Amino acid sequence: EAQVTQNPRYLITVTGKKLTVTCSQNMNHEYMSWYRQDPGLGLRQIYYSMNVEVTDKGDVPEGYKVSRKEKRNFPLILESPSPNQTSLYFCASGGISSYEQYFGPGTRLTVT
Amino acid sequence: ELKVEQNPLFLSMQEGKNYTIYCNYSTTSDRLYWYRQDPGKSLESLFVLLSNGAVKQEGRLMASLDTKARLSTLHITAAVHDLSATYFCAVDATPSATGGGADGLTFGKGTHLIIQP
Repeated sequence: EAQVTQNPRYLITVTGKKLTVTCSQNMNHEYMSWYRQDPGLGLRQIYYSMNVEVTDKGDVPEGYKVSRKEKRNFPLILESPSPNQTSLYFCASGGISSYEQYFGPGTRLTVT
Repeated sequence: ELKVEQNPLFLSMQEGKNYTIYCNYSTTSDRLYWYRQDPGKSLESLFVLLSNGAVKQEGRLMASLDTKARLSTLHITAAVHDLSATYFCAVDATPSATGGGADGLTFGKGTHLIIQP
């Protein structure tokens, strides 16, 4: 089954404790992105990647890092999380042979 | 900077009625997406519109795209309670790239739709 998976699905952590949210897709997609969703703001793009070792900032990259060492994986790293990063995070993927964008199930992060 | 504006942001309507959600965007693009999101869930793809004048229909939902006006509409016909959800439009700002979403999508803020019996 074609899918985008994210782990963990729920996470409660404390300010300053480094964390990684993993994202993996099994569709051999070139394009992957991370978004955060906040009430009243819709989805805002954090980072995107057009292929392995190619990443770039989206609209709200501050406080986040990403890497794309393998085509299927695109982890989101919060080196020192802060309460304003409490949000719902979505990973998405797409490919050059299709216009569809596939979204993961989401990760709800709470930073206290 | 690409801006995507949806309106209305909130809509309460009765079953059986028709209504339209509007999505305006600020830059040239011929790729527009509509998604549905239920509470606590991920985004479900409804339509991908790829050219000026594109019209797609699925059940009681119909989406259209006017690239010259930079406007897309999502029309709901004879609404039923099961269509209650939040609807997002999103624009692909790199139409020159092959495939979809090479540098991601820019989303509107969403339309929270409540359909009452």
